[in-house]
Amino acid sequence: DQQVKQNSPSLSVQEGRISILNCDYTNSMFDYFLWYKKYPAEGPTFLISISSIKDKNEDGRFTVFLNKSAKHLSLHIVPSQPGDSAVYFCAAFQGGSQGNLIFGKGTKLSVKP
Amino acid sequence: DSGVTQTPKHLITATGQRVTLRCSPRSGDLSVYWYQQSLDQGLQFLIQYYNGEERAKGNILERFSAQQFPDLHSELNLSSLELGDSALYFCASSVEASRRDDTQYFGPGTRLTVL
Repeated sequence: DQQVKQNSPSLSVQEGRISILNCDYTNSMFDYFLWYKKYPAEGPTFLISISSIKDKNEDGRFTVFLNKSAKHLSLHIVPSQPGDSAVYFCAAFQGGSQGNLIFGKGTKLSVKP
Repeated sequence: DSGVTQTPKHLITATGQRVTLRCSPRSGDLSVYWYQQSLDQGLQFLIQYYNGEERAKGNILERFSAQQFPDLHSELNLSSLELGDSALYFCASSVEASRRDDTQYFGPGTRLTVL
C-alpha cells in the first residue's frame, strides 16, 4: 500500500510558466517531507524540504506547500526552465529510529522552450 | 557529484546467480541506505546501516543481505537472482541515523539486469 502517491506520471509545461507537481500521503504520522530531482543516469538530488509545522517553504524558484488537513503537498517551480526537465520524487521521512525516506513513484516534468 | 560512489555501474547476470553491489558513502557520513527502483516504481527502501550496525529494514527479500564495514563502505548481496530483481539499486548516505533535516545524498546507482 503506497503511503506517498504522485498521481501524475508526467507533466509538460512551457518555458517561463509555472510547474506544479502534486503529492499526497496517507500516514498522518509523517511530519517531514522532501522533494528530490532526478536526471537520467544520475542519482536523485535533494531539492527542498518542509516540516509539518510550516505550510510553505521557499528556495529561489522552488516553493513547497503543505496542506496537513488534506495530506497534500505541492512543488511550484516559477519560472520553469528547460533545465528543470527531470523526474521529481516526493518523499516522506520515516521517523522514529529510522532515517529512511518513503518515496512516491515520481512525476516526469518536461519544460518546452 | 554527490560524493557517494557505487560500483559497478551496470551488471548483467543470469537467473540463479549471486552478485555484490558496492557503495562508498560521502566522507564523514555514518549512515548508508539501500534503495531499489524497479520499472515505473518509486524508490523502495531496502535497508539502513549506521556505523557498522543494521539500523532499519524495509522491503528487503530474504535472498538479499547487506553489511557495512569498518571503513563505512557497504555491500548489498543479491542471491538466487530472479528476473524480477532487475532494477536500479541506489545507495545513499547521511551523517546521522535518523535526523529529519540530515540530507541523504544518493550515488549514481547500479543497474542490474537479470537474464
